[in-house]
Amino acid sequence: DTEVTQTPKHLVMGMTNKKSLKCEQHMGHRAMYWYKQKAKKPPELMFVYSYEKLSINESVPSRFSPECPNSSLLNLHLHALQPEDSALYLCASSHTGGYTGELFFGEGSRLTVL
Amino acid sequence: EDQVTQSPEALRLQEGESSSLNCSYTVSGLRGLFWYRQDPGKGPEFLFTLYSAGEEKEKERLKATLTKKESFLHITAPKPEDSATYLCAVQSDTGRRALTFGSGTRLQVQP
Repeated sequence: DTEVTQTPKHLVMGMTNKKSLKCEQHMGHRAMYWYKQKAKKPPELMFVYSYEKLSINESVPSRFSPECPNSSLLNLHLHALQPEDSALYLCASSHTGGYTGELFFGEGSRLTVL
Repeated sequence: EDQVTQSPEALRLQEGESSSLNCSYTVSGLRGLFWYRQDPGKGPEFLFTLYSAGEEKEKERLKATLTKKESFLHITAPKPEDSATYLCAVQSDTGRRALTFGSGTRLQVQP
């Protein structure tokens, strides 16, 4: 069982919708991450929050907006997405503040944009 | 630019047939090399961290080794439940700190 919980597991949205993905961890980890993964490709880093502050933004389009309300929660707000944004969105956490490769991933949210 | 190349892309083994997966890398100063396992439709699961050439780590039927240019994941007497995609990633100790992932090796172990 993963200790990083992501909701929803599946999401279908139109290009004009606004939706959010949620991620929660209760391991006391100090960094949280959003990754995007397309089929048969490796995960691609989108954002890193370290000690609740945004520390890395990999030039992600503004239609993706991250939010870290506290050290246990991470949200990804979605607006005006394109069909090519359909992917598995993975949340991860790490014990140290954002510069480690030992990540704990959730099971992901499968997003389909129509 | 950091690069990671994994081979083969796909590997099919019979149960009990040992083999190795390769991860070749170029990085400007290695902070760490990481192996993950990913089941279909799930998030990656962390397996090992290797920091320096000559280091080895083991977990059940898996053993990871590291040289200055590549890492191997040896699978001894695999079982069907070892079927998954195995991802290798590197982290540089200069500049970009985010992980650079390889494209993975899809392993299928047949009973």
